[in-house]
Amino acid sequence: ETGVTQSPTHLIKTRGQQVTLRCSSQSGHNTVSWYQQALGQGPQFIFQYYREEENGRGNFPPRFSGLQFPNYSSELNVNALELDDSALYLCASSLDRSTDTQYFGPGTRLTVL
Amino acid sequence: DAKTTQPPSMDCAEGRAANLPCNHSTISGNEYVYWYRQIHSQGPQYIIHGLKNNETNEMASLIITEDRKSSTLILPHATLRDTAVYYCIVRVRWGNSGGSNYKLTFGKGTLLTVNP
Repeated sequence: ETGVTQSPTHLIKTRGQQVTLRCSSQSGHNTVSWYQQALGQGPQFIFQYYREEENGRGNFPPRFSGLQFPNYSSELNVNALELDDSALYLCASSLDRSTDTQYFGPGTRLTVL
Repeated sequence: DAKTTQPPSMDCAEGRAANLPCNHSTISGNEYVYWYRQIHSQGPQYIIHGLKNNETNEMASLIITEDRKSSTLILPHATLRDTAVYYCIVRVRWGNSGGSNYKLTFGKGTLLTVNP
């Protein structure tokens, strides 16, 4: 069984640019959640996708957006990057939105200069 | 959201049991307690979860008090590779519409350092 994978591993961007991060969910999982983890902090919930629809979001501005595809893989897009967007971005998949355990990928380290 | 309180750091000797406490005094009756850990710069790893009863798996044991206001994660024989930040989380039901949607709200966790 393949776990959650994310790409790229690391990324460097400059202020104002746009970035797309990718996540492949664990086999059979239809729900993907995205989290942002700043240095020294716990992960913060960005939003969740269930069967290609956004299922709710945390306290993040609209320049954070996402997609989920028919194979349940997902993308996180961030427009107009700011320095504070520098963080580890984590993707987690779960069997279903109503089930419990979320399994995390290794994350993408984004640095904004 | 139900909040959790954990000590910021703990030490444990290799081979000994590590007991990590967590307070969740505002937990509701149908909210689960989850434990994850995160080794430096990696994604969080699921450890165990429970509702009322004590739980055990190959990684750890979870002891939940009868009033459910606190819990303890036990690593029975800690190794150096268990050094990580451990997060105690109360899974919260939420969502745009009705139904059972859940999210995880992480705090800062406990940094467990296992010493040789």
